[in-house]
Amino acid sequence: DAGVIQSPRHEVTEMGQEVTLRCKPISGHNSLFWYRQTMMRGLELLIYFNNNVPIDDSGMPEDRFSAKMPNASFSTLKIQPSEPRDSAVYFCASSPSYSYGYTFGSGTRLTVV
Amino acid sequence: AQKITQTQPGMFVQEKEAVTLDCTYDTSDPSYGLFWYKQPSSGEMIFLIYQGSYDQQNATEGRYSLNFQKARKSANLVISASQLGDSAMYFCAMRGGNQFYFGTGTSLTVIP
Repeated sequence: DAGVIQSPRHEVTEMGQEVTLRCKPISGHNSLFWYRQTMMRGLELLIYFNNNVPIDDSGMPEDRFSAKMPNASFSTLKIQPSEPRDSAVYFCASSPSYSYGYTFGSGTRLTVV
Repeated sequence: AQKITQTQPGMFVQEKEAVTLDCTYDTSDPSYGLFWYKQPSSGEMIFLIYQGSYDQQNATEGRYSLNFQKARKSANLVISASQLGDSAMYFCAMRGGNQFYFGTGTSLTVIP
């Protein structure tokens, strides 16, 4: 089991550019979550999917953020256009429904300059 | 309303001693799960231990144990025989239905 795989590990981009973060959940896990972690705000749930369907996106900060899960093995989080305040570590996590906890990916450290 | 409260921003413990990290939670759901995660300086989030709301016994995983006091709504993490590698941020979390709530974390430093 390779765990939750996120790419890229690090991303540095200029303000105004589009950024796409990718996640491959653990096979068989049908819940997928995107989190953002900053020093100021801690861990924030952005959006989660169950069986590829977005269930709650109330944590998505604004329209510049969008997330998709076209199939059970892949999800993307897109920021367009990016801003310096989007700089954070973005975690993807997956879980079997109503089971133990999440398994987190290694995170993507995003820096917008 | 905040669901998970961790009141200790930072803790220090002598190597080989035991340490307790506090966590209280708030929910009206009868069915929920409580978790602890460790985040070392490398940044990954590592699952440590789980306690279900209906579990009668406190969960244990090696040197980790969860002191579950349901009436007080507390789920403290106890680390026995602390090691230098235990220095990290520790997050308490609760899952209720499809919602998952994290606390603000406790930074633990193990002193040689």
